[in-house]
Amino acid sequence: DVKVTQSSRYLVKRTGEKVFLECVQDMDHENMFWYRQDPGLGLRLIYFSYDVKMKEKGDIPEGYSVSREKKERFSLILESASTNQTSMYLCASSLPRDFSSYEQYFGPGTRLTVT
Amino acid sequence: QKEVEQNSGPLSVPEGAIASLNCTYSDRGSQSFFWYRQYSGKSPELIMSIYSNGDKEDGRFTAQLNKASQYVSLLIRDSQPSDSATYLCAALMNRDDKIIFGKGTRLHILP
Repeated sequence: DVKVTQSSRYLVKRTGEKVFLECVQDMDHENMFWYRQDPGLGLRLIYFSYDVKMKEKGDIPEGYSVSREKKERFSLILESASTNQTSMYLCASSLPRDFSSYEQYFGPGTRLTVT
Repeated sequence: QKEVEQNSGPLSVPEGAIASLNCTYSDRGSQSFFWYRQYSGKSPELIMSIYSNGDKEDGRFTAQLNKASQYVSLLIRDSQPSDSATYLCAALMNRDDKIIFGKGTRLHILP
C-alpha cells in the first residue's frame, strides 16, 4: 500500500512566522503535490514536483515555496504566515503520467491555524 | 466555466438503496477520471479510477464514463451508513497534466 505521511496533524503558528510542512512517501513516486482545502473552495493546487529539485507552480502559489531535495520528501514553506493561510494542507503523490495509472494518494493532512 | 462540476448535495439515500453521484467536466480531451471518498476531517481516499467509456465495477462501487457527454458517475449499491461522506470527482486535464477536483457531493445514508 502507498503510504504518504505528513509531519503534523495540527499546527498553530503566529502571523509572520516561517512555517515548514513536511511530506514523505514510501512508494518511490516521481510526482508529489501540495494542496490546500477550504470549505466551499474545494482542493486547490499550490505546487507540484515531477522530480527531485524540480517544481512547478499550481493555481495558488503566492505566499508559498517548496523544496524537493530527495525523491521521497516534498516540503511546503510558508515564508511569512498570514491568517488567510489558515487551512487544511494535503500532500499527495503519484506515478508519472506515462504509466497507466496516474492516481494520486493523499497523506492525512495538516490542519494549520495562523493566529 | 467550472472544469469539474458536481452537485454539492447533500444527497440523502436510504440504507440499502443505490446512491448515484454525478460529475461533468469541461476538457473534452481528458482521458482519466477518479473518484475519491473523504470523511469529515480526513484526507481524500481513492475509490476508483476509470479511463475508458462504459462501466467499471469494484465491489459495491461502479464507475461510469461517457466521454461524448463529458459525464462521469459513481454508483454505490447496497448503501451503508459508513458510506456517508463527501465524494470528490477528479479529471486529468489533457492540456497541462493537472488533476482538477470537483468540490464534492455530500452523501448521507439514512439508517
